[in-house]
Order: sequence, then C-alpha cells, then structure tokens
Amino acid sequence: QVQLQESGPRLVKPSETLSLTCTVSGGSIINNIDYWGWVRQPPGKGLEWIGSVHHTGGTYFAPSLRSRVTLSVDTSKNHFSLKLTSVTAADTADYYCACYHYSSGSYYFDPWGQGTRVTVSS
Amino acid sequence: DIQMTQSPSSLSASVGDRVTITCRASQSINIYLNWYQVTPGKAPKLLIYGATSLQSGVPSRFSGSGTGTHFTLTISSLQPEDFATYYCQNSHSPLALSFGGGTKVEIK
Repeated sequence: QVQLQESGPRLVKPSETLSLTCTVSGGSIINNIDYWGWVRQPPGKGLEWIGSVHHTGGTYFAPSLRSRVTLSVDTSKNHFSLKLTSVTAADTADYYCACYHYSSGSYYFDPWGQGTRVTVSS
Repeated sequence: DIQMTQSPSSLSASVGDRVTITCRASQSINIYLNWYQVTPGKAPKLLIYGATSLQSGVPSRFSGSGTGTHFTLTISSLQPEDFATYYCQNSHSPLALSFGGGTKVEIK
C-alpha cells in the first residue's frame, strides 16, 4: 500500500523559498500513468492545486502559481519535491502531497500525505 | 480554466438526515469529477471518482451523480463521522485541475 509523507521546514521567512519533499513508500514513484501532486489549504480556506509532476520530469502548474513553483522528482530516493519562491504570508497553508492516480478511466488524488503546516513569518 | 462552484457553502444537519451537495462546472467535464472529504488534522479522503464510482472502503451511504456540468454528492443517512468539509474536483484534464470552494457540513 502506497504511503506518502511530507517533510521540510515549517517556518519560512517572507521573500524566501519554501521547500518540501514528499517521500513515497510501499510503491515506486516510477509509474508511467500516475502523476505526483501538491495541494495546499490556507487556514480557513479551500483546497488549491499547486502542480503535478511525472517521474519523467514533465511538470504542470496552477496558472496563479506557475511563475514561482518548481517541481522535481528523484527516482533514486523515491521522492518528489516542491519549491515555492518569494513567499508571503498568503502562502501560509497546510501543504499536502498526493498521488494523482489513474484508474477505471479517471484521474484522482489518492493516497494523500498527512500534510504539513508551513507558516510564512519573520 | 474550468471553474467549479459548490453549493451550499455550508449546511447544518442532524444525524440520520439525507444531505445533498451540488457542484457545477463552468463548462462540460463529462464525468471527470471527484469528491473528497476533509476533516481537520486528517489527510483528505477520496470518496467518489468518475462522478459516480465509490472508492473502495467508503461507506455506501455516499453516492455521486451527474454528468456534463451538474454533479451531486449525496449522503443518504448522515453519521457523526461525516461532519466535515466536502470538495469537488475537476479531473477533465489531468494537467489543469481545480477544486470547488467546499461545503462544510455542521451539526444542527
């Protein structure tokens, strides 16, 4: 059973770069069909898709975040990473990694990591 | 971009009630619509994919319907563990995703 776990600093200063890693266990990140994604939820607000990455390196981003986001995959470590530059308080959120899985004709996020709260503050 | 609009944004209901949540897409997304349950402190949970398919392990009181631009999530008999926030998600294009604004189900 595939499990995901986010890791990284929980406090980031304004204007700096937020960096998170999602480690995949119980399965391989090398999967020709699935993507690996990031979703965030600011306090009191809804879910927001950040972007998705394929193990081959193909990346796709939410238009509103495209200019600040970098996604990458390290197949040797079975993990994928998120970098968000020039952060502000508006980037404070619970950050989730998830598998964007394809089955029975549909893509959906499952499973998810437990999430990690990242706070942007000086 | 495809916009997803959920209604209501919140509702109050009692244990045993039938609850229906609506999600509308700004353009047709066929059946490419998923539903998730989000509870504070827990990972989001997939309930329904492909508009109507129940994810393995999800209780049968949850059901989804719809196609095109209009979708619904129904909980046939609300249980205490169902008080949570529910989100729809457009999966029409795997590469340009969007979530609805969420519907918070609260105890009446």
